[in-house]
Amino acid sequence: DAGVTQSPTHLIKTRGQQVTLRCSPKSGHDTVSWYQQALGQGPQFIFQYYEEEERQRGNFPDRFSGHQFPNYSSELNVNALLLGDSALYLCASSMGHGQNEQYFGPGTRLTVT
Amino acid sequence: AQTVTQSQPEMSVQEAETVTLSCTYDTSENNYYLFWYKQPPSRQMILVIRQEAYKQQNATENRFSVNFQKAAKSFSLKISDSQLGDTAMYFCAFMKQYAGGTSYGKLTFGQGTILTVHP
Repeated sequence: DAGVTQSPTHLIKTRGQQVTLRCSPKSGHDTVSWYQQALGQGPQFIFQYYEEEERQRGNFPDRFSGHQFPNYSSELNVNALLLGDSALYLCASSMGHGQNEQYFGPGTRLTVT
Repeated sequence: AQTVTQSQPEMSVQEAETVTLSCTYDTSENNYYLFWYKQPPSRQMILVIRQEAYKQQNATENRFSVNFQKAAKSFSLKISDSQLGDTAMYFCAFMKQYAGGTSYGKLTFGQGTILTVHP
């Protein structure tokens, strides 16, 4: 049973560029949440997708957007990259209702230069 | 808004000994869940233990147990018989419970505690 997978593992971008990160949820899961984890800090909630819609959003600007596909996989897009966007981006999957355990992927390390 | 505070940036323990990691939180909610997650140096976050706020009994999972004090808003993690594989960053996390038992799953994390187990 495959767990949560994310791609790519590492990414280096330049300020002002755009980036897309990808996540495939654990088998049987239909909800995907995205978190940003700065070095040495706890993860910060970006948003959550369920039934292809953004269900909940954290305190992140509109430069951060996402999408969920019919197969429940998800993308995180960040436009106009800033140096402060450098972080580990974690994807977590879960069941949509009544299940609270989130399974995390290994993350994508984004470096903005 | 909820906040989670872990006041111990780093802890160390000898193999086979017991260690307790502290966590406090602030919320006006009455129904919620609390979690401890472990993030080893390989990065993948793993759920260690969870506690439902409506349950008075403290959760246990093998060598891991919690001390949940709802009135004090305290949620500590005790690791017994520490093993080298327990070396990791540990995060305390909070999740609000929505009506009907459905949680929309926004986890609020603390800053983390780096635990090192020495042989």
